[in-house]
Amino acid sequence: EDQVTQSPEALRLQEGESSSLNCSYTVSGLRGLFWYRQDPGKGPEFLFTLYSAGEEKEKERLKATLTKKESFLHITAPKPEDSATYLCAVVQAGTALIFGKGTTLSVSS
Amino acid sequence: EADIYQTPRYLVIGTGKKITLECSQTMGHDKMYWYQQDPGMELHLIHYSYGVNSTEKGDLSSESTVSRIRTEHFPLTLESARPSHTSQYLCASTGLGAEAFFGQGTRLTVV
Repeated sequence: EDQVTQSPEALRLQEGESSSLNCSYTVSGLRGLFWYRQDPGKGPEFLFTLYSAGEEKEKERLKATLTKKESFLHITAPKPEDSATYLCAVVQAGTALIFGKGTTLSVSS
Repeated sequence: EADIYQTPRYLVIGTGKKITLECSQTMGHDKMYWYQQDPGMELHLIHYSYGVNSTEKGDLSSESTVSRIRTEHFPLTLESARPSHTSQYLCASTGLGAEAFFGQGTRLTVV
C-alpha cells in the first residue's frame, strides 16, 4: 500500500509556464513532510520541511504548501535550470523517511 | 551545507567480491540511513540506525549488512557482490529537525 503518492510522474513545461506538483500521503501521525530536488546521478538536495496543515514555505521560484492529506510544490515562472526530479517524503514517529516515486520536471526554453 | 560524505563515488567490481561502502557525517546526527536507487526509480530504504550500536533493516532486502560503532560512521558491507546489486547507494543522516541530508552517492557496478 502506497503511503506517499506523487503526481504527475513527469511534467514538461515551457520556460515561464507555472505549474504545481502534488504529493498525497496516507500515513497517520505525520511528523513532517519534506521536499527534495534530485539531479541525475546525485543525492537528493533538501528543499523544504512542512510540519502542520496550512504551513507554507518559499524559496526563489518554489513554494510548498501542506494540507491534512497532501502537499503541493508550486513552481512559478520556471527556468531550464529547474529541471530535475522532485521528491516528496514523510516521516512518522519512530520511522525512517518514506519517499514517493518523484516527479521528473523538464523545462524547455 | 550538509557535511555527509560517501566513498567511493564509483566502483566496478567482480562477482563474489566483498565490498564496503563508506559513509561519514560531521554533523553529530544520531540517525543515519542507507537507500538504494536504480536509475530513474524511487529510493528504497535498506538499513537505518538511530544511534551507536543500533541498526535495523529497511523494506528492501539487499543482502547487505551495516554497523554503527561510532556516531559519525555508518558503513555498508556486501559480503558477496552479485550483478543484481548494481545500483546507486545513498547515505543520509538526520538531526533533531528530522530533515535528511544526503551524500552524493556511490554508483556500484558488479560485473
